[in-house]
Amino acid sequence: QSVLTQPPSVSGAPGQRVTISCTGSSSNIGAGYDVHWYQQLPGTAPKLLIYGNSNRPSGVPDRFSGSKSGTSASLAITGLQAEDEADYYCQSYDSSLSALYYVFGTGTKVTVL
Amino acid sequence: QVQLVQSGAEVKKPGASVKVSCKVSGYTLTELSMHWVRQAPGKGLEWMGGFDPEDGETIYAQKFQGRVTMTEDTSTDTAYMELSSLRSEDTAVYYCATPRLGWNYEPQPWDYWGQGTLVTVSS
Repeated sequence: QSVLTQPPSVSGAPGQRVTISCTGSSSNIGAGYDVHWYQQLPGTAPKLLIYGNSNRPSGVPDRFSGSKSGTSASLAITGLQAEDEADYYCQSYDSSLSALYYVFGTGTKVTVL
Repeated sequence: QVQLVQSGAEVKKPGASVKVSCKVSGYTLTELSMHWVRQAPGKGLEWMGGFDPEDGETIYAQKFQGRVTMTEDTSTDTAYMELSSLRSEDTAVYYCATPRLGWNYEPQPWDYWGQGTLVTVSS
């Protein structure tokens, strides 16, 4: 099972702000590893949304923002739009098994009401 | 710009093996660190393994060790993921993914993804 925990779902009306948490531990986010976020639209491959905790790749709207503190990270979407309805995953390293392994969060479905 | 094009859908019987390919264009495979991720129907993303450029070796998630083999054919810039002893729980979409050159993060983010290959395991 995943070592990064996300809420299964969040929802909001168009224009509202929603946040998604990614809760880890001292062997992953708390160890100082970077967190990245991916957006997965229905039926498509994941797309890099936020890298290095808080940076947006070219082309990603600035209504998406990321942050990290302690053993958790967060993704915020401000000015929610219909096209933001998707699944979102956080990603980091975990070192609990005496090697560095990639780990994903459990995933969060964002619904635009 | 890197493009990753995966092989087509597969249907396999329990106990069989499957080999999924991921053809790279835009860069050579030796410049990239290819990883494989799977997603069971209605479930989340699960990292299976990938190339670690620090060690120059392929590392596998503990869950798949002994059952998965990731290889590369540099002459055709094609990466492969072979999963053996298939069971129904292996039914999933399998993705290849890789970071672009020059990232300085731990871990590196994955900019490029294949389109996914559906593997169905059914008797």
